Amino acid sequence: GQSLEQPSEVTAVEGAIVQINCTYQTSGFYGLSWYQQHDGGAPTFLSYNGLDGLEETGRFSSFLSRSDSYGYLLLQELQMKDSASYFCAVLRGGKLIFGQGTELSVKP
Amino acid sequence: DGGITQSPKYLFRKEGQNVTLSCEQNLNHDAMYWYRQDPGQGLRLIYYSQIVNDFQKGDIAEGYSVSREKKESFPLTVTSAQKNPTAFYLCASSRDQLTGGLNSPLHFGNGTRLTVT
Repeated sequence: GQSLEQPSEVTAVEGAIVQINCTYQTSGFYGLSWYQQHDGGAPTFLSYNGLDGLEETGRFSSFLSRSDSYGYLLLQELQMKDSASYFCAVLRGGKLIFGQGTELSVKP
Repeated sequence: DGGITQSPKYLFRKEGQNVTLSCEQNLNHDAMYWYRQDPGQGLRLIYYSQIVNDFQKGDIAEGYSVSREKKESFPLTVTSAQKNPTAFYLCASSRDQLTGGLNSPLHFGNGTRLTVT
């Protein structure tokens, strides 16, 4: 089976760094993805980790440790527009299974 | 610009009525998906299709039906058998079967918010 756990809410101030963790329990694991969703909008793809280590894309980085069944999304130099929900998702059997999402609130 | 179009954005129905949600994509993607999102919740997979004329049940298929007669279109019917149909429905597509997230991430439409009373 599969389950993903991530914090429900995170609050940070503008300009800060925030880390959103994701732990998973799944068989047939093929990779961990991250998506961003602004309130009422369409989720958009942020990053994917198929192998252990850090992937960097501008202000966003994502990390995966397959031995620990753990990953995180790191957001640097936070901006107000980063306030959104962030979902981790695992790829299994041709399907993307999503976590419950972490609502990030960026304060001035 | 290529993308996924879901219509309508808001939909209201009476309990006991079937309703069909439209999803069209012009990205030339092979795979299409339907997800349901409830307030404060993650996305749950309803149905997916990896190729025309073929589709598979996701995790919460009961009370829903789909068809994939054309590559561009993947309509979802919410039937009267769905006990809690009020939700935000998201359609997505990917270039091919998700064998690698980087090479084939999901592209989502803007969703249809269905309210059944």
